[in-house]
Amino acid sequence: AQSVTQPDIHITVSEGASLELRCNYSYGATPYLFWYVQSPGQGLQLLLKYFSGDTLVQGIKGFEAEFKRSQSSFNLRKPSVHWSDAAEYFCAVYSTGANNLFFGTGTRLTVIP
Amino acid sequence: GAGVSQTPSNKVTEKGKYVELRCDPISGHTALYWYRQSLGQGPEFLIYFQGTGAADDSGLPNDRFFAVRPEGSVSTLKIQRTERGDSAVYLCASSTGTSGQETQYFGPGTRLLVL
Repeated sequence: AQSVTQPDIHITVSEGASLELRCNYSYGATPYLFWYVQSPGQGLQLLLKYFSGDTLVQGIKGFEAEFKRSQSSFNLRKPSVHWSDAAEYFCAVYSTGANNLFFGTGTRLTVIP
Repeated sequence: GAGVSQTPSNKVTEKGKYVELRCDPISGHTALYWYRQSLGQGPEFLIYFQGTGAADDSGLPNDRFFAVRPEGSVSTLKIQRTERGDSAVYLCASSTGTSGQETQYFGPGTRLLVL
């Protein structure tokens, strides 16, 4: 069965510091992986997605993620965090059998000046 | 262009009442999804439509929940005899297809509170 684990419930970083949010997935076939961001009162916005090919994918707002099949991971990174990046981040895997997204429980990011 | 819209943005109701939540997808999107997000959790799948028909409703928690999409555009999620445990944010998303590679675009959600 498919599942997504985000081990960090809450992360605090200083503005300008680098960021890495962890995501581990469980899926039988080649996964379709996504990172979404949710700001208070806003809908989920897609940051980036991975289907195949280059394992390092670039997204919006300066984010990138690396797919590592051997570790079943799809960690999200940003070299320099801005105060506006404070939000909830969700990793998700798409199940082609079930035709829907399975989300992790999310990581809340706080950015301190 | 216009994104996915959901109405109402907030709904407060009493236990046992009936509620309807509406979703307006992006024009031309054939696939429409409903998810439920409880406090501190990620969204959980409820049901999805491909066109007018419910292609998969396996995520609906019980028979008090029902959704329709009669003309292949707007969808309504209906909850009968609401319970306090139904309190959550209900999210709608739409996409151009269901291969998995299409982006699901989410609406802002309807926050349902059952007293």
